[in-house]
Amino acid sequence: GAGVSQSPSNKVTEKGKDVELRCDPISGHTALYWYRQRLGQGLEFLIYFQGNSAPDKSGLPSDRFSAERTGESVSTLTIQRTQQEDSAVYLCASSLRDRGIYGYTFGSGTRLTVV
Amino acid sequence: KNEVEQSPQNLTAQEGEFITINCSYSVGISALHWLQQHPGGGIVSLFMLSSGKKKHGRLIATINIQEKHSSLHITASHPRDSAVYICAVRSNTGNQFYFGTGTSLTVIP
Repeated sequence: GAGVSQSPSNKVTEKGKDVELRCDPISGHTALYWYRQRLGQGLEFLIYFQGNSAPDKSGLPSDRFSAERTGESVSTLTIQRTQQEDSAVYLCASSLRDRGIYGYTFGSGTRLTVV
Repeated sequence: KNEVEQSPQNLTAQEGEFITINCSYSVGISALHWLQQHPGGGIVSLFMLSSGKKKHGRLIATINIQEKHSSLHITASHPRDSAVYICAVRSNTGNQFYFGTGTSLTVIP
């Protein structure tokens, strides 16, 4: 597609439920990042995928968070047993290649509210 | 202490003013990004720098690797420039990005 697409754009869920967030990167982009932005706070790195390499999961805040990406296509971020502190905007970004002169394109985010 | 510090935190300017936003970082980096976040959350990547200076329209970004400092300048500011500007650095020891907390810019007509 023309840009990074994220779905859903908004999600309200009850505490304790599982949620799945989706990111469609720009076709051909090998690098994909997930970030989280809590209200009034800066961006937090969550996880990074580069091609078929093992993902860098060092930013995931707990084992309730997991993410998958098949090859260079869609990625899903799953949050199990959601808590109120998980409420945030979850942003995805992709890049044509890692390092070098290319910048990153961000999706419009998924606003997650845990009630 | 945050790895990336931005200043000022908030900035109000009159239309037409020259604006400077500063970013200092404490880690070794492979690249520095300036991002623009509009109300509603959309984020746009403005620049990616590893040295020197880049210019795009009224926006200029500079970086001094030795001093671990970058500046974003906006010439002839306009109300549509009102947004949060975020400095982010890519660590040179891994895949980690570190983000500043942003500078909220309001340009008054």
